[in-house]
Amino acid sequence: QKEVEQNSGPLSVPEGAIASLNCTYSDRGSQSFFWYRQYSGKSPELIMFIYSNGDKEDGRFTAQLNKASQYVSLLIRDSQPSDSATYLCAVKPAGGTSYGKLTFGQGTILTVHP
Amino acid sequence: DTEVTQTPKHLVMGMTNKKSLKCEQHMGHRAMYWYKQKAKKPPELMFVYSYEKLSINESVPSRFSPECPNSSLLNLHLHALQPEDSALYLCASSLMGTDTQYFGPGTRLTVL
Repeated sequence: QKEVEQNSGPLSVPEGAIASLNCTYSDRGSQSFFWYRQYSGKSPELIMFIYSNGDKEDGRFTAQLNKASQYVSLLIRDSQPSDSATYLCAVKPAGGTSYGKLTFGQGTILTVHP
Repeated sequence: DTEVTQTPKHLVMGMTNKKSLKCEQHMGHRAMYWYKQKAKKPPELMFVYSYEKLSINESVPSRFSPECPNSSLLNLHLHALQPEDSALYLCASSLMGTDTQYFGPGTRLTVL
């Protein structure tokens, strides 16, 4: 079982719609959760981080965390063609020995079509 | 300001060459990271430095040699690389006590 799983997609949504990206993780003690956006040929860019159960909103982006069900999601409202990218979910596992290490999912390719 | 800079942007080298990648940040972050990313794959951790000391080496071959000369600078020395080492090399940094990592733009390395 992969430690962090994402649907690889591609996920295709029309412009103006809500894009929903999901991520599940296996380490129940995981502490911190991150969403990165990566355009083709570019480096990952931090979009959101979330530590506590519930929702966290930043502009058009909402991160949702449910530790009991071990999933974290990213909602993108009013999707734009410029949101087309690969979205990486990253999780900080539990335990002091894992300091500095994030476990990445394989990424979900999002395409927003006009 | 959450800027991490990396030079060069592109590097082409032969298998017998020695080259270095450079990473710099002035955010006061005392944890710095090197990642390797192949096409259509997530970043793969190579090394972690905390307070200028190597704290994690993910069993990386010795042809990759990291160095952290001071709290703002991180180098990756390359020697006798193989064509399969061609990839995007990413540097990241984070504030101590937090897990939030900020990536630089990367160096696209091609080994001929």
